[in-house]
Amino acid sequence: QSALTQPASVSGSPGQSITISCTGTSSDVGGYNYVSWYQQHPGKAPKLMIYDVSNRPSGVSNRFSGSKSGNTASLTISGLQAEDEADYYCSSYTSSSTAVFGGGTQLTVL
Amino acid sequence: QVQLVESGGGVVQPGGSLRLSCAASGFTFSDYGMHWVRQAPGKGLEWVAFIRYDEINKYYADSVKGRFTISRDNSKNTLYLQMNSLRAEDTAVYYCAKDRLRSAWAFDIWGQGTMVTVSS
Repeated sequence: QSALTQPASVSGSPGQSITISCTGTSSDVGGYNYVSWYQQHPGKAPKLMIYDVSNRPSGVSNRFSGSKSGNTASLTISGLQAEDEADYYCSSYTSSSTAVFGGGTQLTVL
Repeated sequence: QVQLVESGGGVVQPGGSLRLSCAASGFTFSDYGMHWVRQAPGKGLEWVAFIRYDEINKYYADSVKGRFTISRDNSKNTLYLQMNSLRAEDTAVYYCAKDRLRSAWAFDIWGQGTMVTVSS
């Protein structure tokens, strides 16, 4: 159950777009459409932002979008805002009937 | 409103045991799968365990298999995590999380977390 691979940090200016990648294997990200993304502010519980690769829960801004190609999933945030500054984690179902998270990406809004 | 509230965390010696509880409200608890996820201090999220809505299936991370047991009482709207043979590396905030569906493997509601510290 190796963690999915995410960049440790990304940054962008207000109004810009950024993309966070999440790389796994054919046994997790590449094999299923059960990829989800979470936002976590310091000291807070994570919040679901994207599920099933590209679906947004009710109440999540349409500035957040998800996609997948092969073994790599991506989260794109457009029109960056100061409140988007947080840690972001991807997660995937695996062939072992477990879940695995990425190591997390710290987003800085410059 | 939809809410999960964990309890039972604390300080325990290595080799000891602890049982965490997660009280659910605001939704039909018995219709959803439930998960435990933990986060060591300053580290990322780690999935721990899943239990199906009807308890028929339970799955565990390799790191806790054989030591932790997930269970639920649908009559009490409560999820549990029995943790035995605790190790220093089990020190973390433990979150219970609701599955988006019965087993969609997306966690749409999270509790506030309960801290478990394993130390002598």
